[in-house]
Amino acid sequence: GAGVSQSPSNKVTEKGKDVELRCDPISGHTALYWYRQSLGQGLEFLIYFQGNSAPDKSGLPSDRFSAERTGGSVSTLTIQRTQQEDSAVYLCASSPGGGGNTEAFFGQGTRLTVV
Amino acid sequence: QKEVEQNSGPLSVPEGAIASLNCTYSDRVSQSFFWYRQYSGKSPELIMSIYSNGDKEDGRFTAQLNKASQYVSLLIRDSQPSDSATYLCAVRRIGTASKLTFGTGTRLQVTL
Repeated sequence: GAGVSQSPSNKVTEKGKDVELRCDPISGHTALYWYRQSLGQGLEFLIYFQGNSAPDKSGLPSDRFSAERTGGSVSTLTIQRTQQEDSAVYLCASSPGGGGNTEAFFGQGTRLTVV
Repeated sequence: QKEVEQNSGPLSVPEGAIASLNCTYSDRVSQSFFWYRQYSGKSPELIMSIYSNGDKEDGRFTAQLNKASQYVSLLIRDSQPSDSATYLCAVRRIGTASKLTFGTGTRLQVTL
């Protein structure tokens, strides 16, 4: 695709349910990032995938959060047993590589609301 | 100390003036620096990248990098109301497996 695609755009879920958020990066991009942005706040790093390297999971806030990247392309962020504090916009970005001089581009985000 | 620091603002400038946005970072091995613009309710949009000390100009935007002082800035000349947004500074350190770290952003308001 022309840009980073995220689905769904909006998700409302009940507290305690599991959710899956999908990110389809720009074709050929080997690096993929997930961030979370709460209302009025900055971007909170969650996880980073680069090629076949082990992902950097240092930003995942709890063991309820996990992410996979299958075949080096599409990524899924899973949140188990959702809590109200998980409500935020989840942003995915991709870049051509993990080297320093590469620019990252964002998808439109998934707005998650836990009720 | 935060890895990337920005003044949250708001920074208010009159239309036509120069807006100056600043960012400092703590990791000396940082290699790549980016400025993103984020309108309310939208996702961040890349506007500038800079990798070497000095200035880099693109239209009305100039990014300035000083690695010795560990700061990067963004100048917006002839500011327009449409420039009103939050500007995010992002930093990546050397290495292939390195994440992109963001500051909390500076809110810019361009007044008529």
